[in-house]
Amino acid sequence: EIVMTQSPATLSVSPGERATLSCRASQSVSSSLAWYQQKPGQAPRLLIYGASTRATGIPARFSGSGSGTEFTLTISSLQSEDFAVYYCQQYNNWPDTFGQGTKLEIK
Amino acid sequence: QVQLVQSGGGVVQPGRSLRLSCTASGFTFSGYAMHWVRQAPGKGLEWVTLISYDGSNKFYGDSVKGRFTISRDNSKNTLYLQMNSLRPEDTAVYYCARGDYLDWGQGTLVTVSS
Repeated sequence: EIVMTQSPATLSVSPGERATLSCRASQSVSSSLAWYQQKPGQAPRLLIYGASTRATGIPARFSGSGSGTEFTLTISSLQSEDFAVYYCQQYNNWPDTFGQGTKLEIK
Repeated sequence: QVQLVQSGGGVVQPGRSLRLSCTASGFTFSGYAMHWVRQAPGKGLEWVTLISYDGSNKFYGDSVKGRFTISRDNSKNTLYLQMNSLRPEDTAVYYCARGDYLDWGQGTLVTVSS
């Protein structure tokens, strides 16, 4: 199965600043890459699919890029509600696999 | 709006069985594949199983193959997960999710402990 590796494990950023999260696949997943946000006690929320397409209702400050094995999620100006855990997921090869997560915390 | 409402779950002894349910509304349930995804306490997300829109195809992760069975009743807009021979390592919050992962259930905790 494809292994997804996220970095860093924890990212400390101040509100209003930009956050950049990385995700690497153990082999090419083309653009079949999604990003999720999860807050404590809540289900994951789909942010990005197809590596760069925002899901319905997702603010424009969230953007995704990359293809193949290297992907990035950028949050352009952090709001208080953005501090959460973020997961990447590949769905190019069965089984779908998730990264271990990046915790975005307030600096 | 789309809703996936889960039920079932709880505390069960190792080796016993449990069934989870996920009832859908707000979309054409019979038109979508459905997943179960789980999350062990303090850990990341693990895909568990997938069923096609009509129930004709089912896929399982290696960790649950032969023990868990996914099924659906499109007349009741409901997805099921039958979990047999439960192990302590199956302890997790279980989520149902629509095939495109756009919508998720609220999650239900399954604890396997003696």
